[in-house]
Amino acid sequence: EDKVVQSPLSLVVHEGDTVTLNCSYEVTNFRSLLWYKQEKKAPTFLFMLTSSGIEKKSGRLSSILDKKELSSILNITATQTGDSAIYLCAHPYGSSNTGKLIFGQGTTLQVKP
Amino acid sequence: NAGVTQTPKFQVLKTGQSMTLQCAQDMNHEYMSWYRQDPGMGLRLIHYSVGAGITDQGEVPNGYNVSRSTTEDFPLRLLSAAPSQTSVYFCASSQGATRQPQHFGDGTRLSIL
Repeated sequence: EDKVVQSPLSLVVHEGDTVTLNCSYEVTNFRSLLWYKQEKKAPTFLFMLTSSGIEKKSGRLSSILDKKELSSILNITATQTGDSAIYLCAHPYGSSNTGKLIFGQGTTLQVKP
Repeated sequence: NAGVTQTPKFQVLKTGQSMTLQCAQDMNHEYMSWYRQDPGMGLRLIHYSVGAGITDQGEVPNGYNVSRSTTEDFPLRLLSAAPSQTSVYFCASSQGATRQPQHFGDGTRLSIL
């Protein structure tokens, strides 16, 4: 059974801190790993990772995949209060061409001023 | 571009009542899914569809029905609401299967008394 596990489940930091969120996976047939940010409403897409060792960056956020360790990390540098959100990691599962995703539990990040 | 639209945003039901959560997308996406989000459990797949006329079960399908008569619409029906179905429901769509990120609606917060 495919599984995605995130850690920590919650985190409180102060503005300016750097945080690292973890996602580990056990899947039958790896296709890609996705990161989403969820504020009050819909999860919004951050990154899709398919190749090990290649970092994806968007401003202060970056993510990298380690296929050997079956894991991915999401880094946020110089955190701001607007980074407060739930960060979700997901993997497509089942037979190909279904659009199904299995999600981790999410990491709730609170950034204090 | 509206993206994925869900209605209603909030709903309170009594145990045993039935209702339909609406989801519509205007991006001509083939793949549509329904997820529920409960505290500490991430998002779990209820039902999904790979195209008009084709639906299948996800991780937690019991108590829910879906149909997909058009590409745009993917309603979720609760047949006889139970308190365990109190949750936030998200509809999502994507063009590709594993190589395209999913776009989420803003969610429906459902309480069953």
